Amino acid sequence: AQTVTQSQPEMSVQEAETVTLSCTYDTSESNYYLFWYKQPPSRQMILVIRQEAYKQQNATENRFSVNFQKAAKSFSLKISDSQLGDTAMYFCAFMFKGTSYGKLTFGQGTILTVHP
Amino acid sequence: NAGVTQTPKFQVLKTGQSMTLQCAQDMNHEYMSWYRQDPGMGLRLIHYSVGAGITDQGEVPNGYNVSRSTTEDFPLRLLSAAPSQTSVYFCASSDWNYGYTFGSGTRLTVV
Repeated sequence: AQTVTQSQPEMSVQEAETVTLSCTYDTSESNYYLFWYKQPPSRQMILVIRQEAYKQQNATENRFSVNFQKAAKSFSLKISDSQLGDTAMYFCAFMFKGTSYGKLTFGQGTILTVHP
Repeated sequence: NAGVTQTPKFQVLKTGQSMTLQCAQDMNHEYMSWYRQDPGMGLRLIHYSVGAGITDQGEVPNGYNVSRSTTEDFPLRLLSAAPSQTSVYFCASSDWNYGYTFGSGTRLTVV
């Protein structure tokens, strides 16, 4: 079974600064996806970024980028030029790419607060 | 394009009552799932489906039933509500390539 661990229950950052959220996972599989989801106070789950395990290049989406270390089973999210709208709960998630496709395993979440 | 639509958004049930949480998607996605979100525990998978007529259990399936008679709909049934089922419930759908799209959630309170 896969497990996903987010060791930072809460983080805070000043507007315009950079913050990194940590995520580690445990799996014996080699072919999988990793995701970061954002959940603002509205409760909506929003996909931030996705990484395929076989791709060595780290994914980027505008101000969001990941540091994917497959051997270390680490998947951190870096938010550059933080904005007040980035305030949210962030979830790291794992999905095996195989016969059990469709089963997302989530971490416990990190609450990020961006201060003006 | 509505995406994933969940109804109702809020519900209060008495212990022992049954109800169905509705979920519909208009993106022709094959994969659909139900999750529950509890404080400090992230989202946990209840049931999922890889296509019409095919469902399977997730991490926390007890007390819930699902069926998938069409590609679009994936209702979640609570058979006999218990206070432990007080939670926020999310339905999500995906195709094979893009990652999940989530509904806006249902906040369920069982008293």
